[in-house]
Amino acid sequence: GEDVEQSLFLSVREGDSSVINCTYTDSSSTYLYWYKQEPGAGLQLLTYIFSNMDMKQDQRLTVLLNKKDKHLSLRIADTQTGDSAIYFCAESPSGGGADGLTFGKGTHLIIQP
Amino acid sequence: KAGVTQTPRYLIKTRGQQVTLSCSPISGHRSVSWYQQTPGQGLQFLFEYFSETQRNKGNFPGRFSGRQFSNSRSEMNVSTLELGDSALYLCASSSPQETQYFGPGTRLLVL
Repeated sequence: GEDVEQSLFLSVREGDSSVINCTYTDSSSTYLYWYKQEPGAGLQLLTYIFSNMDMKQDQRLTVLLNKKDKHLSLRIADTQTGDSAIYFCAESPSGGGADGLTFGKGTHLIIQP
Repeated sequence: KAGVTQTPRYLIKTRGQQVTLSCSPISGHRSVSWYQQTPGQGLQFLFEYFSETQRNKGNFPGRFSGRQFSNSRSEMNVSTLELGDSALYLCASSSPQETQYFGPGTRLLVL
């Protein structure tokens, strides 16, 4: 079945860039997402990218997609303490809810002062 | 526009009981999906409803069921609760071909 892999932890200094990586196995993944979850909260959609794109930038966030290697990354520029959270990579063959999202286990982003 | 709302936010039940969770989607969204989040298994897809019909289902036992009403609100039910059903249950809504937006979740504790 489909699988999405992420590192469990990433520690960065405040002000540095954070790069969270994700790999997926489903060749039919068309939509790829990054969600953020703060303690005790639900999932907040950060950004998404279609499989026909290589890069998407949205303010401090940059998403890079290497479709050949099935590798997705999220770069957060100028990381702040408020960025401390769990970041989930997710994929779906279609947009909307019809096919369900397959999630990675999440990467805990730890910010050092 | 109001976001996805879920009620109740917290729930404590005992083994063998049943529970019903509710989700109100973003206005205009007709697709509602449910997910279970546990420390061990992570986020897993339960099922999805669109226009009162279940379109897709994840790999969960028949004790997990759901329904959707004509106003797109959805409920999920878990019967004969087990300790392993303790989890955060998340609901998400979307428009066709659009991204899913999640609610704050219902945290269920089974004792």
